[in-house]
Amino acid sequence: AQRVTQPEKLLSVFKGAPVELKCNYSYSGSPELFWYVQYSRQRLQLLLRHISRESIKGFTADLNKGETSFHLKKPFAQEEDSAMYYCALSGPSGSRLTFGEGTQLTVNP
Amino acid sequence: DTAVSQTPKYLVTQMGNDKSIKCEQNLGHDTMYWYKQDSKKFLKIMFSYNNKELIINETVPNRFSPKSPDKAHLNLHINSLELGDSAVYFCASSPRGRLGEQFFGPGTRLTVL
Repeated sequence: AQRVTQPEKLLSVFKGAPVELKCNYSYSGSPELFWYVQYSRQRLQLLLRHISRESIKGFTADLNKGETSFHLKKPFAQEEDSAMYYCALSGPSGSRLTFGEGTQLTVNP
Repeated sequence: DTAVSQTPKYLVTQMGNDKSIKCEQNLGHDTMYWYKQDSKKFLKIMFSYNNKELIINETVPNRFSPKSPDKAHLNLHINSLELGDSAVYFCASSPRGRLGEQFFGPGTRLTVL
């Protein structure tokens, strides 16, 4: 079974501070990991994929297979980063995307 | 605009009624989904269709029935609405072979009174 855990339901930081949103997963094979973001009153949208090794809006995430983690990081948080963030997992030949419970990030001025 | 669209955006109805939510995507994707987001913002898959064929049917009451008339449309019909059905329902689609890269609709906020 595939499972995604986001231990923090709420995370609050000040503008300019580093931010890390935690994500742990369990999966027996080689998973594909994603981060999705939902800004207030907007649709859910894909933020980044681990296979792309990209940085989007200053965010990066590294897949750590040893720790089964895929934490999302940004060195300097901005107020516009305030949103709900979901970590998600799919298997290479799977039929579904499994979401974590989400972390509500608030960046205070 | 190329996107996933849903109608209606808001739906307020009485317990026991039957209602439908429509979803359309013009992205040329093969796979479409319905998700339910509850009051705690937990997102749970309900159904998935690939080329009009049902491939995921989670443990959802059989009052919920999806219908896919063609690859670009996936509608959700709900019979005998209950208070616990109040939630935001999201439609999504993904391109072939890339189910992790899903495009979501704006959501339909259903309130059952």
